[in-house]
Amino acid sequence: ETAVFQTPNYHVTQVGNEVSFNCKQTLGHDTMYWYKQDSKKLLKIMFSYNNKQLIVNETVPRRFSPQSSDKAHLNLRIKSVEPEDSAVYLCASSLQGADNNQAPLFGEGTRLSVL
Amino acid sequence: GDSVTQTEGLVTVTEGLPVKLNCTYQTTYLTIAFFWYVQYLNEAPQVLLRSSTDNKRTEHQGFHATLHKSSSSFHLQKSSAQLSDSALYYCALSDPGGYKVVFGSGTRLLVSP
Repeated sequence: ETAVFQTPNYHVTQVGNEVSFNCKQTLGHDTMYWYKQDSKKLLKIMFSYNNKQLIVNETVPRRFSPQSSDKAHLNLRIKSVEPEDSAVYLCASSLQGADNNQAPLFGEGTRLSVL
Repeated sequence: GDSVTQTEGLVTVTEGLPVKLNCTYQTTYLTIAFFWYVQYLNEAPQVLLRSSTDNKRTEHQGFHATLHKSSSSFHLQKSSAQLSDSALYYCALSDPGGYKVVFGSGTRLLVSP
């Protein structure tokens, strides 16, 4: 049962365009993440938010910008896409605390193809 | 920084035989959580096991893993592999706050008849 919802499922675009991906979780979690899974299936963290505050900001190109309106929503915008941005972007959420490091629960992902 | 190493890109095993997927890590944190995730074809990764206690065996769906801080390892094992176990497996660790979960490169398990 999916409780982390991502839209769109797929997106095909051309180099230089801007794209936006949306993520919503209905679990009451306080932490959300964006991961990139490339063609070799490497899963790399990009950003994480706790209660809509940016906590983790890995070394990603400046054209990537996350946005969180509340703890249930986390979006990702890519300003001017490049071919190497083709990947699956996975959103995840978890409930964190001093003694409660839950495993992040992933959404189905958004597959981006840049032509 | 923290890192997770999965040395095998592909592990093949015959149905019914035992299987072991290796996972080692490097971290400066004393208290940390570890996970094994499984990703089936065209699906999202899903958590299989979780542990943060040294030398304690954790089991789920026939798989088990034990965190050994002395050897910085968290290997995944199963006594009898099933065809349905064929998938991509990731080992991961979380920082103490849970805000950064780092994944290994993944091991593809292929179970053959």
